[in-house]
Amino acid sequence: AQSVTQLGSHVSVSEGALVLLRCNYSSSVPPYLFWYVQYPNQGLQLLLKYTSAATLVKGINGFEAEFKKSETSFHLTKPSAHMSDAAEYFCAVSSVNNNDMRFGAGTRLTVKP
Amino acid sequence: NAGVTQTPKFRILKIGQSMTLQCAQDMNHNYMYWYRQDPGMGLKLIYYSVGAGITDKGEVPNGYNVSRSTTEDFPLRLELAAPSQTSVYFCASTDILNTGELFFGEGSRLTVL
Repeated sequence: AQSVTQLGSHVSVSEGALVLLRCNYSSSVPPYLFWYVQYPNQGLQLLLKYTSAATLVKGINGFEAEFKKSETSFHLTKPSAHMSDAAEYFCAVSSVNNNDMRFGAGTRLTVKP
Repeated sequence: NAGVTQTPKFRILKIGQSMTLQCAQDMNHNYMYWYRQDPGMGLKLIYYSVGAGITDKGEVPNGYNVSRSTTEDFPLRLELAAPSQTSVYFCASTDILNTGELFFGEGSRLTVL
C-alpha cells in the first residue's frame, strides 16, 4: 500500500524566510504526488502535483516541490514566507487510478511577523 | 460554479442516532470520495465511488454506508452514531482527466455526544 510521511507536525518561520515542508513517500508503483493546502474552516485545495513529467514542479502562490526518486521525497519549498501562507499543508500519494489517494498527517505552518 | 457542496456544515448527534451527510457535485465527475479528518491524523478514506452504482470501501469504512444512484450525489450514512465518529467529514470528486487532483467540499463537522 502507498503511504506518505510528513516530518514535523508544526513548522514555524519568520516572514521572508525559507519555507521547507518535508514529505517522504512509499509506493510500489510510480506514484502521483500532491501537496494540498487547507486554510481554517475550509476544504483542501491543490497547491501542486507531480505526475511523472518534470521532477521540479511549480505550484500556486510561489510554492514548488522536487520529486527525488532516490530519496523517495517530495519536499515543498517557498523562498520567502508570507503571512498569508499560514495554513495546514498535506502531502498525498496516489496511483494512476485515483482510487487510493493517501494523505499524510499534515504540517501546520505558522508565519511570524 | 458551485463545485462540491456538502450539507449540513455542523451537526450534533446523540449516541445511537443515525444521519446522512449529503454531497453533491456539478462538475460531472465520475470519481467521488468521503474522507474523515481527525487532528494529527490527516485524512482517512471512508468510501469511494468510480461511477453511478459503483462504490467501494476505503481505509475506515466501519460504521458508515454510501450509495451512488446518480453521478452528482454521493451521500454518506452513519448508522448508530458513536463518539468515535466525531470528526470533520470531507467529500471530494475528480475525473480521470484531472490526473488525480481532488476537488473538496468545505466539510461537515459532526459531534457525537
